[in-house]
Amino acid sequence: KAGVTQTPRYLIKTRGQQVTLSCSPISGHRSVSWYQQTPGQGLQFLFEYFSETQRNKGNFPGRFSGRQFSNSRSEMNVSTLELGDSALYLCASTQGGREINTEAFFGQGTRLTVV
Amino acid sequence: AQTVTQSQPEMSVQEAETVTLSCTYDTSESDYYLFWYKQPPSRQMILVIRQEAYKQQNATENRFSVNFQKAAKSFSLKISDSQLGDAAMYFCARPTSYGKLTFGQGTILTVHP
Repeated sequence: KAGVTQTPRYLIKTRGQQVTLSCSPISGHRSVSWYQQTPGQGLQFLFEYFSETQRNKGNFPGRFSGRQFSNSRSEMNVSTLELGDSALYLCASTQGGREINTEAFFGQGTRLTVV
Repeated sequence: AQTVTQSQPEMSVQEAETVTLSCTYDTSESDYYLFWYKQPPSRQMILVIRQEAYKQQNATENRFSVNFQKAAKSFSLKISDSQLGDAAMYFCARPTSYGKLTFGQGTILTVHP
C-alpha cells in the first residue's frame, strides 16, 4: 500500500506570492491533516479535512486555506506569503470517522522557503 | 489545557546502550492514545510505538518500549541496544481533537559509535 505522498518536496517563493501544496493520503484514508513545523514553534496544527469538509482548524490566519477532493486528496494554499511562512509543511492521513484516537501516517513534507 | 511536554531538548547515547526519553501530558480524559514518533533527517515522521491508556501493560515494539504511568501522566520511551539509525528527533504526541495531534517540543537523540 502506498504511503502518504506530498508534492512538491521543495519550493522557493517570493514574498507576496501564493503557493499550493498537495497531499495524497493512504488509500482508504478519508482524513487529511496539515501541520507547520518550524524550529521556533515546533509542530503546529493547521487544519483537518474529512469527506471534503474542514472539520477542525488551528490558530492560523485566513491566508492559510485548504480543500479536499472526492478522492480524499488535499491541497493547502497560502496566499500573500510572508518570510515567516518558511517552514516544513507536513500532511498526515488517518482513516477518519468519529474516533479521534487513531494512528496518523505522515508524508515526507514540503519544505517552503520564502525569500 | 491539552499540553504535551518533553523536558529534554537533547539526549545522547553510546551505540548498544539504553536511553530513556521523557514525556508528560495533561488530560482530563480516561481513555486516550499516546504516540512516540521519530523524525530522522529525511524529515518523514515515523510512528515508533503506540500506547492505549486503558491498557495496563506497557507497549513494546522490538527494541522500543514505554513506561506508561497513567496517574502521573507520564509516558517515557526506552530504546534498548541503541543503533546509529536511531539518531533522530523524537516526538511524543496525543490526539486531542479530530485530525489533530498535539506534539511535545521534541528531543534530539544523538547516537555515538
